Amino acid sequence: GQNIDQPTEMTATEGAIVQINCTYQTSGFNGLFWYQQHAGEAPTFLSYNVLDGLEEKGRFSSFLSRSKGYSYLLLKELQMKDSASYLCAVVDSNYQLIWGAGTKLIIKP
Amino acid sequence: IAGITQAPTSQILAAGRRMTLRCTQDMRHNAMYWYRQDLGLGLRLIHYSNTAGTTGKGEVPDGYSVSRANTDDFPLTLASAVPSQTSVYFCASSATSGSGETQYFGPGTRLLVL
Repeated sequence: GQNIDQPTEMTATEGAIVQINCTYQTSGFNGLFWYQQHAGEAPTFLSYNVLDGLEEKGRFSSFLSRSKGYSYLLLKELQMKDSASYLCAVVDSNYQLIWGAGTKLIIKP
Repeated sequence: IAGITQAPTSQILAAGRRMTLRCTQDMRHNAMYWYRQDLGLGLRLIHYSNTAGTTGKGEVPDGYSVSRANTDDFPLTLASAVPSQTSVYFCASSATSGSGETQYFGPGTRLLVL
């Protein structure tokens, strides 16, 4: 079967750094996405990784290790507006997105 | 319009009734998708369309149907609603159905089936 695992919830402090992990077991791999979803809103694109390594985009970075079936999203200089759910999704062999249940990130002042 | 719109925003529906959720995009994207999102579960693909005139089944297609008569519109129909179809429904689109294509989401329809 196909499986995407993420922690259900994480808590961090404003101004700090947090790392959200995602492990996957899928039928094929054609890339991995991270999306942000604020409560009651639609998911919005954050990053896409298809090759191993770190992709940096402002305060957000995403890392991929295909051999380990592992990715993480790193958020630096946390702001209150970063309180949201973060969704990991893998593109499988049929080019469909397989989604994790998401990690709810709570930012405390 | 800019992006993807969905209608209605929310709906309470009696079990057994027929319901069509509407989705329109103005980005001229070829591919469109319908997902449902339930608490504790990831987004699950219901149906998709890689281009106008074609549709395909996703992970959870039973009880739902779609059509893609043109590029912009991708309605989702529940023929006879059941309480297990209570969910938040998201429509999404991408320029193509290729592996690296970002999917853009509509605001969602919150459906309660009683």
